[in-house]
Amino acid sequence: EVQLVESGGGLVQPGGSLRLSCAASGFTFSSYRMNWVRQAPGKGLEWVSYISSSSGAIYYADSVKGRFTISRDNAKNSLYLQMNSLRDEDTAVYYCARLAPWLANNYYYYGMDVWGQGTTVTVSS
Amino acid sequence: AIQMTQSPSSLSASVGDRVTITCRASQGIRNDLGWYQQKPGKAPKLLIYAASSLQSGVPSKFSGSGSGTDFTLTISSLQPEDFATYYCLQDYNYPYTFGQGTKLEIK
Repeated sequence: EVQLVESGGGLVQPGGSLRLSCAASGFTFSSYRMNWVRQAPGKGLEWVSYISSSSGAIYYADSVKGRFTISRDNAKNSLYLQMNSLRDEDTAVYYCARLAPWLANNYYYYGMDVWGQGTTVTVSS
Repeated sequence: AIQMTQSPSSLSASVGDRVTITCRASQGIRNDLGWYQQKPGKAPKLLIYAASSLQSGVPSKFSGSGSGTDFTLTISSLQPEDFATYYCLQDYNYPYTFGQGTKLEIK
């Protein structure tokens, strides 16, 4: 079964750090690009970060740039999100999501086709 | 960053109805757009990619159209399990951006 399982969420004080993990199984993790997406309580979805299959390309949302670091270990089938200098507004459910490619007319289209169940991060004093 | 404007923010409909949700991009994004369904307490689910391609396993009652800046998601013959929140997502370039969401409620 294709699966993503997040862990590492919890309660942390403002200014603190947390490291999220996402364990992949049932597919060749090293072949896929990955993303983190979050959702604050009662709010919509917000894309957070992207990493290519080889870690050669990495992008961040402006809201987390300079504070969060995405990484992956293909040997361990794992994706990570190191979150530093946490703020109240980082409180959210964090999802990891696989980015699948489809080739049509010599052009690659993408979609986040597999998601984890989410892990909750609460930043509060 | 590309802005995605989704409308309406909420929609009330009855079982059996056909509804349409729209997303407008602040600049052209070809057809690099996906639609996602999210139910309370659950992860989002991919319905449509490349603006109009149905993800495997998704019923054909869901359909997408559009290209450039204007996109629509149509759901026909609404059933109780279709009442959820729907999001568009532009995957043309980073930072990826979601629409604000449309909450589809039972009338």
